[in-house]
This record gives sequence, structure tokens and C-alpha cells, in this order.
Amino acid sequence: AQTVTQSQPEMSVQEAETVTLSCTYDTSENNYYLFWYKQPPSRQMILVIRQEAYKQQNATENRFSVNFQKAAKSFSLKISDSQLGDTAMYFCAFMNRDDKIIFGKGTRLHILP
Amino acid sequence: DTAVSQTPKYLVTQMGNDKSIKCEQNLGHDTMYWYKQDSKKFLKIMFSYNNKELIINETVPNRFSPKSPDKAHLNLHINSLELGDSAVYFCASSQAQTSTDTQYFGPGTRLTVL
Repeated sequence: AQTVTQSQPEMSVQEAETVTLSCTYDTSENNYYLFWYKQPPSRQMILVIRQEAYKQQNATENRFSVNFQKAAKSFSLKISDSQLGDTAMYFCAFMNRDDKIIFGKGTRLHILP
Repeated sequence: DTAVSQTPKYLVTQMGNDKSIKCEQNLGHDTMYWYKQDSKKFLKIMFSYNNKELIINETVPNRFSPKSPDKAHLNLHINSLELGDSAVYFCASSQAQTSTDTQYFGPGTRLTVL
């Protein structure tokens, strides 16, 4: 069975620092997608970044980048120059070719002024 | 045991039909949600219920009507289906409605409107 594990339930960093959120997953498939979603208190889900497993190059979106290690089944999110607005819950998610998506349990990130 | 389950997993139907998607959670949570994921994988909240009462109702067409017979169930009924309703719909639950409570997501229901 496919699983997604976020081992850090909660993290805090100072504003402007760099923070890395970890995510590991388990699958026997070779082609799949990985996502990071940001969830503010409104409970809305904002797609931060996505990675296709067949692409070796790590995805980047402005201050957000991932370290995708396919062999290790690791998909960590790095937030550079963190801002107060980055405070939120972050979900890692795995999606297979059948569009079945599995979410991790989330990491609550606090950016401190 | 599945924590949050949805039925059906796949739903293919014609435009104009009425359909329902069911969601059940066995976690004893008080709050349940419906999200819609579009083709670009953006995930938008649609509704939230706390103890069978509606607490979030984002701007969705009134063809979408959630129904919560008890706090373990939140069903989504869609009238007069349109092509643009094709998406994956996710149900989720949390212990309470406060934003610090972790959400647990269901596996999703892929709706295809022809």
C-alpha cells in the first residue's frame, strides 16, 4: 500500500531563515506525482509545488524548492527567506497514475518575527 | 480500517444528471469537509460541517448541496451536472473546526461528466 509520512508534526523558524520540511513515501510504482500543499487557517488548500517522478530535475517555485530523491523515496520542501505569511499547515501528497492521491498528516510551520 | 472513506471511487455520468458522492469517517471527528481538485491539481474547499451544521460554504453553484445525516457522514449531492463539474472530489475530517486540528483526507472520487 502507498503511504506518505511527514515526520515533523510542528516546526518553528525565525523569519528570513531557511526551513526544510521532510516527506517520505512508499510505493512500488515508477511513474507518479508528488505535491506540497499549503493550508492557511481558512482550510483552503494552496498548491505550492509539484514534481513528476520521471523528471530528475528538482522543481522550483520562487522561494520554494524540493529535494526529490527517487531512490530514497524522499520529497522534502525547502522554503528560503521564510516570511510570516508562510505560517500554515503543509501537506505532502502522492498521486499515482490512476489519480489516487494520498496525503501525509501535515507539518504545522510557524514563522516567528 | 479506513479512516475516511468515499463512495464511489469513480463516477461517470451524462450532463444534466443528478448524482451523489458519499463520505464517511470512523474517527469520531466533529468536522467534515469537501474539496474539489481541478485538472491542474489545485484543491479548493467547498463546504465544511461541524456536528451536522454548515460552517464553511465557499462560492460554489447552488447545484451542489451537502447533506450531513450525522456527524460521521457528509454527502455531496450535485444536480444538473455540467462538464465543468468533472474533477476529483475529496472529503476530509478533523476533530474540531479549529485550524490547528489535523485533517484526514479520503481517497477521492473522480467524477467525469460526459
